[in-house]
Amino acid sequence: GQQVMQIPQYQHVQEGEDFTTYCNSSTTLSNIQWYKQRPGGHPVFLIQLVKSGEVKKQKRLTFQFGEAKKNSSLHITATQTTDVGTYFCAGVGFQKLVFGTGTRLLVSP
Amino acid sequence: NAGVTQTPKFRVLKTGQSMTLLCAQDMNHEYMYWYRQDPGMGLRLIHYSVGEGTTAKGEVPDGYNVSRLKKQNFLLGLESAAPSQTSVYFCASSYGLSSYEQYFGPGTRLTVT
Repeated sequence: GQQVMQIPQYQHVQEGEDFTTYCNSSTTLSNIQWYKQRPGGHPVFLIQLVKSGEVKKQKRLTFQFGEAKKNSSLHITATQTTDVGTYFCAGVGFQKLVFGTGTRLLVSP
Repeated sequence: NAGVTQTPKFRVLKTGQSMTLLCAQDMNHEYMYWYRQDPGMGLRLIHYSVGEGTTAKGEVPDGYNVSRLKKQNFLLGLESAAPSQTSVYFCASSYGLSSYEQYFGPGTRLTVT
């Protein structure tokens, strides 16, 4: 079945450093979504990417969808303590949304 | 506009007991989902529904049953709880099945002893 893996599982950065999480699918995706879950909270939708090679930005966050539509990345520039949480990608293939394993980000002031 | 709500927030069960988790949404969404979240395993789909009166199995359906008698409600049942069902359960809803964002409830933390 479809599998979506994320790396790294965990990253601890100092405030102001950059952060990147990578998402890889075993199958070609029709689109990919990204969610953020704050500690003790629930996942909240961030963005959806649909086109091959698509790049979208939200302030300090940059999202990219691979040319082959099998991978994606989320890059945060100059992290802040408010960026703390777990970031999930969710890939859509065969009419199903499959969540990745998540990357937990810890930011120290 | 409450979005997606879940009851209860916390529950402790003994092995073999049964319980029902209730999810309600006020966004008139057709699609609703139940996930479980375990450390290091992300969110895994248990069951989902594409409309009132319909349900379908997800990735990890064993040991759970669901019902969608009303469009706004989606119930998750555990007939005979097992320690392996200790988890955080999230309900979500969306306009469409896969190309629309999902709105999540606050979660239910279930412990089975």
